Amino acid sequence: GAGVSQSPSNKVTEKGKDVELRCDPISGHTALYWYRQRLGQGLEFLIYFQGNSAPDKSGLPSDRFSAERTGESVSTLTIQRTQQEDSAVYLCASSRPSAPSNTEAFFGQGTRLTVV
Amino acid sequence: GDSVTQMEGPVTLSEEAFLTINCTYTATGYPSLFWYVQYPGEGLQLLLKATKADDKGSNKGFEATYRKETTSFHLEKGSVQVSDSAVYFCALNRLGYGQNFVFGPGTRLSVLP
Repeated sequence: GAGVSQSPSNKVTEKGKDVELRCDPISGHTALYWYRQRLGQGLEFLIYFQGNSAPDKSGLPSDRFSAERTGESVSTLTIQRTQQEDSAVYLCASSRPSAPSNTEAFFGQGTRLTVV
Repeated sequence: GDSVTQMEGPVTLSEEAFLTINCTYTATGYPSLFWYVQYPGEGLQLLLKATKADDKGSNKGFEATYRKETTSFHLEKGSVQVSDSAVYFCALNRLGYGQNFVFGPGTRLSVLP
């Protein structure tokens, strides 16, 4: 597709349930990022994939959060045993890094997660 | 680690006023610098960028100059419009250093007619 696609756009789940969020990056983009944006707040880094390198998981807030990426395509962010504090918009972005690191990140529209 | 600091919002201006949103960064080496904008109900989109010292990024009347000596990338616009009301995020990027993009907390701008 033309841009980064995320699904679902909205998700309401009950506390304690697991959820899976999907991101389709722009074709050819080797780097993929997940961020969390709580209401009225900035972007909180979660995880970064770059090609076949080991992902940078340093931003994942707890072991309930995990993410996978198949090659250089789709990524899924999984939140297990959701808590109300997980309610936020989850943003995915992709880029095609190249020297001298001047490529922008393209963002999807996000998935709004509400835990009730 | 790398970090980006922005002026706290919200910023409220009248139409046609001059805008400055301050941004400073901490990073090793020579990052690229970006301003992203998030209009109400929309996703983040790139506003402008600069890749090396003294570069000036510009778009839609907005400008920012990469100042290595002051580690700053302040966003300016000479005459804001109501349609500029949005949240503005300053960000940096250092290729190959793990966490690739680091964002500031965002500054909410409201422009009144």
